[in-house]
Amino acid sequence: AQKITQTQPGMFVQEKEAVTLDCTYDTSDQSYGLFWYKQPSSGEMIFLIYQGSYDEQNATEGRYSLNFQKARKSANLVISASQLGDSAMYFCAMRVPGVGSYIPTFGRGTSLIVHP
Amino acid sequence: NAGVTQTPKFQVLKTGQSMTLQCAQDMNHNSMYWYRQDPGMGLRLIYYSASEGTTDKGEVPNGYNVSRLNKREFSLRLESAAPSQTSVYFCASSEGTGFNEQFFGPGTRLTVL
Repeated sequence: AQKITQTQPGMFVQEKEAVTLDCTYDTSDQSYGLFWYKQPSSGEMIFLIYQGSYDEQNATEGRYSLNFQKARKSANLVISASQLGDSAMYFCAMRVPGVGSYIPTFGRGTSLIVHP
Repeated sequence: NAGVTQTPKFQVLKTGQSMTLQCAQDMNHNSMYWYRQDPGMGLRLIYYSASEGTTDKGEVPNGYNVSRLNKREFSLRLESAAPSQTSVYFCASSEGTGFNEQFFGPGTRLTVL
């Protein structure tokens, strides 16, 4: 069975500083995809960034980067130059090949609060 | 494009009542999903539909049924609601042919008394 672990229930960061949100995963599949989503207080889920298991370079999307360490099975999200609007819940997710689809599994999330 | 839409946004039921949550997407996606989100539990997959005409159980299917009405629509039915089904329900869709991101609806907040 697939598992995503996010060990930080809550994180605090000062505006304009960088922050790392931890994510470890467990799967026996060699092929998988790792995702990060943001959920602001308004409730919608917003896709941020994706990393494939065979991608050799870490993914980046604007201020978001994914620190992918395959041997450690970790896929940490790095947010550079934090902004007040980054305050939200962040979920790490993994997709593995399954019956006719790519089955998603989510972690429990990390709450990030950005202080001015 | 509206993306993924869900109705209703809020619902209050009494124990034993039934209801259907509706979901539709206009992105021509093959795969659709239903999740529930409870405090501290993240999102848990209830059912998914890899393509039109197929449905499969996820992590927490008990007490729910689904129907993939056509490529656009995927409904979730609670036949006899229980207080344990009080949750926020999200519908999502994706292209389904690879490791594609999922697009989520705005959610339905359901309370079962």
